[in-house]
Amino acid sequence: NAGVTQTPKFQVLKTGQSMTLQCAQDMNHEYMSWYRQDPGMGLRLIHYSVGAGITDQGEVPNGYNVSRSTTEDFPLRLLSAAPSQTSVYFCASSYYRDSLPYGYTFGSGTRLTVV
Amino acid sequence: QQQVKQSPQSLIVQKGGISIINCAYENTAFDYFPWYQQFPGKGPALLIAIRPDVSEKKEGRFTISFNKSAKQFSLHIMDSQPGDSATYFCAASNTNAGKSTFGDGTTLTVKP
Repeated sequence: NAGVTQTPKFQVLKTGQSMTLQCAQDMNHEYMSWYRQDPGMGLRLIHYSVGAGITDQGEVPNGYNVSRSTTEDFPLRLLSAAPSQTSVYFCASSYYRDSLPYGYTFGSGTRLTVV
Repeated sequence: QQQVKQSPQSLIVQKGGISIINCAYENTAFDYFPWYQQFPGKGPALLIAIRPDVSEKKEGRFTISFNKSAKQFSLHIMDSQPGDSATYFCAASNTNAGKSTFGDGTTLTVKP
């Protein structure tokens, strides 16, 4: 059981480049989210999805796009990388049981540096 | 607008002592309150969680205390160990919206 898998683990981009951060989960979780973690700022929600075909914006969505074509995958696309997007990115998934929520399972993160 | 405020930012405790981390929230729509533990270089991991219909939940050395009227909740780590040294995040979820808001984190150091 792999849980939540994020690739790549590390990435260096030049300003203006685009890329996709991959996230896949094998737990059949309905809910998936992308967070960025910056020093002293905790985890901030970028985008999230409550099921395949449904996505919505979080707290800091500008400069990022997402799609959810399957339950398993939730890629995050950086459209035109900027130094302000240097951060550690975490993908997380969660589920409900008997209409009650359970906490997130996080991936191991992608450390992105934009130069 | 910070919907979940966490304190302290850092905490140093002697081995065997009690570590206490506090969080306060504003949005009364929040209905699920988890705590996460994060070690350097790793993703956060769910530690313990509580729903607002109970005032306390205990799992081993970890206890959540919840005060609905004050909109506050706290994590207590009893008999703190050096292996507990990590960053702890509280979170609050609006389950109807399917998303969580996190506090800024507390870096706990347990000295041997």
